[in-house]
Amino acid sequence: DIQMTQSPSSLSASVGDRVTITCRASQSISTYLNWYQQKPGKAPKLLIYAASSLQRGFPSRFSGSGSGTDFTLTISTLQPEDFATYYCQQSYSIFWTFGQGTKLEIK
Amino acid sequence: QVQLQESGPGLVKASQTLSLTCTVSGGSISSGDYYWTWIRQHPGKGLEYIGHIYYSGTTYYNPSLKSRVSISGDTSKNQFSLKLSSVTAADTAMYYCARAQRGGLDVWGQGTTVTVSS
Repeated sequence: DIQMTQSPSSLSASVGDRVTITCRASQSISTYLNWYQQKPGKAPKLLIYAASSLQRGFPSRFSGSGSGTDFTLTISTLQPEDFATYYCQQSYSIFWTFGQGTKLEIK
Repeated sequence: QVQLQESGPGLVKASQTLSLTCTVSGGSISSGDYYWTWIRQHPGKGLEYIGHIYYSGTTYYNPSLKSRVSISGDTSKNQFSLKLSSVTAADTAMYYCARAQRGGLDVWGQGTTVTVSS
């Protein structure tokens, strides 16, 4: 199995802050890395696919980067609606695996 | 646009089989290069991939669940289904169906809560 490790597990930040979440794969996954946003009581939403492509409907303050084993999700200027849990997921192997999640909370 | 909706019993007795169906509207499960996927989320926890059925009918399952899982498709009803046998309390979770490509799970159902009772 390809293990996905996110850091941090939780993060407190303020509106307007720049935030970075990292995701590390246990082996190279090229750019087969996706990010999801999940709000309480809701299904996750695809946010970034193929490491750096922004899904339609999300604002450009969200960006993703990385390849191989190390990836980052950056929110350039936090907005109130961005407080949520974020998951990375690899789609390199047939057995897709998720990171454990990063809960982004309001400071 | 494609929409997915899970349905099935919200309560299942331990040792029995959990059965859920995902109805797809706005698109066909037999067309396109998609994986029709089941994901679950234990209360307060992260996301766990259960398995998928490819548009061609090929299936793949999470190795940790493989002995108990079956995913099938019904093209006449445009549905795909999950069966998980010999359930225990550890199978209590929110179950989601989703459409996937190599570029991620881009359409999700709203999820359905399944509780396993003893």
